[in-house]
Amino acid sequence: SAVISQKPSRDICQRGTSLTIQCQVDSQVTMMFWYRQQPGQSLTLIATANQGSEATYESGFVIDKFPISRPNLTFSTLTVSNMSPEDSSIYLCSVESYSSYEQYFGPGTRLTVT
Amino acid sequence: GENVEQHPSTLSVQEGDSAVIKCTYSDSASNYFPWYKQELGKGPQLIIDIRSNVGEKKDQRIAVTLNKTAKHFSLHITETQPEDSAVYFCAASIFAGGTSYGKLTFGQGTILTVHP
Repeated sequence: SAVISQKPSRDICQRGTSLTIQCQVDSQVTMMFWYRQQPGQSLTLIATANQGSEATYESGFVIDKFPISRPNLTFSTLTVSNMSPEDSSIYLCSVESYSSYEQYFGPGTRLTVT
Repeated sequence: GENVEQHPSTLSVQEGDSAVIKCTYSDSASNYFPWYKQELGKGPQLIIDIRSNVGEKKDQRIAVTLNKTAKHFSLHITETQPEDSAVYFCAASIFAGGTSYGKLTFGQGTILTVHP
């Protein structure tokens, strides 16, 4: 399985500001995803990070609010823009194994917006 | 789109007992069903998965069964231990063709507590 790291692991931010979360994987992968997990809730897919092209967003998520970059096959960033307390969540990066299609998750970034 | 329902939301068992968590899915085209274990403060960990071409898969104390006709799948944990205590999520996806299974749709989660 891939080893995935995320930075920062947690942060407390003021409303109206933006935070960029980084995801690094130790091997090249084709698919990278960003999920949100609100407190005590399940995981919801925000978008698929496509290498070299614009991310594919799920219904209810827009690029202006959650811009995503993926400059290469091992790295991606998610920015949470113009934050409000409702954005307080765990943000998780995941990757899909090239050989088995299994999906593995990073440790998550715990965001609190005050 | 796909909808995954998971039951029960909480499950409490005594150490050594078995635990069963059930999920149903709505899209008959779904063909990949992973289970994740999430411990407090950590990301979800893949513990077992099953593809639609098999009905059952086992890995030591963990097994997953799939009934495609009824569109439901279950996680079975035998001889439970306190370290099995965690939140368990089921998920479903449809092979997107090419090189990816694509997005996962998750169930609501089950909080499993194993009492010593």
